[in-house]
Parts: sequence; C-alpha cells; structure tokens
Amino acid sequence: DAGVIQSPRHEVTEMGQEVTLRCKPISGHDYLFWYRQTMMRGLELLIYFNNNVPIDDSGMPEDRFSAKMPNASFSTLKIQPSEPRDSAVYFCASSPDTGAATEAFFGQGTRLTVV
Amino acid sequence: GQQVMQIPQYQHVQEGEDFTTYCNSSTTLSNIQWYKQRPGGHPVFLIQLVKSGEVKKQKRLTFQFGEAKKNSSLHITATQTTDVGTYFCAGPTSGTYKYIFGTGTRLKVLA
Repeated sequence: DAGVIQSPRHEVTEMGQEVTLRCKPISGHDYLFWYRQTMMRGLELLIYFNNNVPIDDSGMPEDRFSAKMPNASFSTLKIQPSEPRDSAVYFCASSPDTGAATEAFFGQGTRLTVV
Repeated sequence: GQQVMQIPQYQHVQEGEDFTTYCNSSTTLSNIQWYKQRPGGHPVFLIQLVKSGEVKKQKRLTFQFGEAKKNSSLHITATQTTDVGTYFCAGPTSGTYKYIFGTGTRLKVLA
C-alpha cells in the first residue's frame, strides 16, 4: 500500500477563498483523522471518522471548517472562507479497527498558506 | 479538558549524549503512544504502552509508562544525528479513539 495520500502537498491561497484538502486513507482502515499543526498550538485533532461517519468534530475551530467522508477511500477538509490564521500543516491519518487502540498512519501533510 | 504536556520543549545534545523527554497527562490514560516527526516530515509511530509500569525497548530507545498511567518517558541512549526530530506522546480521551498529542520535545543532535 502507498500509505495515506494527501493532496495537494502545498497550497497558497488568498484570504476569503475556498480551500479543499484531500485525503486517501490506507485501504481497509476504518478510522480517519484530520489534524492541524502549528508552532503555537502544536498538533490538534480537528475531527475523526469511523466507517465514514464523523464521530467527534469538537476540534473543528469554527463553522468555516467542514469535513466529509463520502466513502471509505476518500475524505475532504474544506475551509470557506479561508483566513491567514488558518495557515498551518494539515495532516490526515488513518488506523485499522482492531478492537483495541492502535497506531495512526499519517500522510505527508498539506502545507496551507493563506495570504 | 484533557491536557498532555511534555518537557523539555527543546533539547540540544552532543552526539553520544543521552536524552530524555517526559510526558504528563492531566487524566489517567488507558494507553500511551509515542511518535517521531523529522523536520519537514510527518509523525511516525514508534510504540504503544498499555500496562501500568510497562517498560519497552527499541534498540537505543527506552519507553516507560508510569505506575499511575498518567505519565511516560522516552530515553535515548547515546544519541545519533539520525535521532534529530520532534518526539510526541499521545494519549486517548477516555473510551475513545480521540488521541490528544503532547506539546512535543524537539531534539537537536550536534555532531
């Protein structure tokens, strides 16, 4: 397997524009996580899905952020409208459901810059 | 809410010196995970500890889980330049798969 695949790797956009980040989890993994990493706030969990269903979105900063998982092999994180403070590296991660806690496999991340 | 703190925030060591990072949770954890993130990279899973007082070793790395399951440590013996990166611990919110990552310790190894 190629691992968790995220696109784009880098995104530069102007304030007010819509941004969509994409993630393809590892095949067979039932959990998908979206994280945001900044120097100030570290690595924050935004939302996670189990079997395509959002389980906990309490980390989503505000209504400008939304995430979907239409099927087991694809998820998106959308920011509309984007603001400079959204600049960060966004990671997607996936885990198998083994009935117990297990490791998360992270994608390469998307570095978002909002100017 | 649950908080996971790590100390130190930064550590510079000479190659060959030992290194330790400490992780403290505000709540009891069912398990704890450790990840390493190289500069410009993504977090990579190192290990998971589950039992109270558990100690696991991976070559030069030694991981411990506290007796009260609220703290953990990672010790690296005789650091090498390949150990450079940020080390994170992560613990789950009770009964969930929602892992809270620690603040991280950035290790720099001077050759």
